[in-house]
Amino acid sequence: EIVLTQSPGTLSLSPGERATLSCRASQSVSSSYLAWYQQKPGQAPRLLIYGASSRATGIPDRFSGSGSGTDFTLTISRLEPEDFAVYYCQQYGSSPPSITFGQGTRLEIK
Amino acid sequence: EVQLVESGGVVVQPGGSLRLSCAASGFTFDDYTMHWVRQAPGKGLEWVSLISWDGGSTYYADSVKGRFTISRDNSKNSLYLQMNSLRTEDTALYYCAKGARYSYGRVFDYWGQGTLVTVSS
Repeated sequence: EIVLTQSPGTLSLSPGERATLSCRASQSVSSSYLAWYQQKPGQAPRLLIYGASSRATGIPDRFSGSGSGTDFTLTISRLEPEDFAVYYCQQYGSSPPSITFGQGTRLEIK
Repeated sequence: EVQLVESGGVVVQPGGSLRLSCAASGFTFDDYTMHWVRQAPGKGLEWVSLISWDGGSTYYADSVKGRFTISRDNSKNSLYLQMNSLRTEDTALYYCAKGARYSYGRVFDYWGQGTLVTVSS
């Protein structure tokens, strides 16, 4: 099973700043099958990025994803107040299905 | 508008059984892979199970294999999770999630609001 490790555990930043969240895999994630989700308190997760770098429908362009192999990054270029939440990465191997999540990064207001 | 509404979560004793349901609307249900994902209180996300569009293929996380069964009724636009031999560590909010058309349906583009399962004596 591929284990995903996210860092940092908590990130404290101010609105307007740039956020860089990391997701490292225990082995190579095939074909960049890596997604990112945002979860706010009391809400279901929301898909942000799939295929490591493709934005999901309706996601603002301040969100971007990059990386390949074992190292992936979610960048939020300029933080808006509504961006403070928990972020999860997820890998999805194709065959046999292998789906795991990272433990999450909490992005909090400084 | 895509809607996923879960139901069936209750308090159950260890060793007990439960069936969760998810009612889907706003999309062509039988075109998509569907999933169950859970989240223990204050913890992260854990994928539980998936079922292909026609129910012909099912897969499970090792933590639930042999105890949980996923199924679907495309005539009723409904997804189910039969949970047997429940353990305290199965306590979680259970989300129904729709697989996106891309990425082998293993990216979750819509989620329900979840139904809470509590396993406690």
